[in-house]
Amino acid sequence: DAKTTQPNSMESNEEEPVHLPCNHSTISGTDYIHWYRQLPSQGPEYVIHGLTSNVNNRMASLAIAEDRKSSTLILHRATLRDAAVYYCILAGNQFYFGTGTSLTVIP
Amino acid sequence: KAGVTQTPRYLIKTRGQQVTLSCSPISGHRSVSWYQQTPGQGLQFLFEYFSETQRNKGNFPGRFSGRQFSNSRSEMNVSTLELGDSALYLCASSIPGVPYEQYFGPGTRLTVT
Repeated sequence: DAKTTQPNSMESNEEEPVHLPCNHSTISGTDYIHWYRQLPSQGPEYVIHGLTSNVNNRMASLAIAEDRKSSTLILHRATLRDAAVYYCILAGNQFYFGTGTSLTVIP
Repeated sequence: KAGVTQTPRYLIKTRGQQVTLSCSPISGHRSVSWYQQTPGQGLQFLFEYFSETQRNKGNFPGRFSGRQFSNSRSEMNVSTLELGDSALYLCASSIPGVPYEQYFGPGTRLTVT
């Protein structure tokens, strides 16, 4: 059974904000929520992570629902270089990658 | 700082053969994890090594094995290759701790014919 559920694909216009949703209803109290992205022909790259509170870093923001059963990755201004597959991951002893969301950025 | 390196980058093997893949982590990183990525199954965790000991293991058959050396370099071995083992094998290194940020290498593309 999948630990995270994400839309298969999303589109965004360049320089507009993007909200990438993730459902993780079976999250346990000790699981961290991580987001990674994978550009074509590269290994995944760390984006952001959090436990309960919303988090910001230079790449993105992570909004975590109060019940922790869902989260949203926010890219404040999408660029063409942000086109990638974005993975929402529950991290306990292992990383459980979902199927990811393929983000297309339209110039 | 040099990133995670994996060798070889591409490999073609025949069914029934075995293969060894190598991963050199970022200097100072003592934890190494391996993943298999296929179009059908996505990214799946194989195992994690820390201080030469396997700490976690995913749901893969015993044909998949690994080890870690004292310098934190890691190898994974797949014996009796099957067509379904064709995949991108990714290695990631990290500083142990929760939560930890993993740094991925570019992967080894294995094709089994």
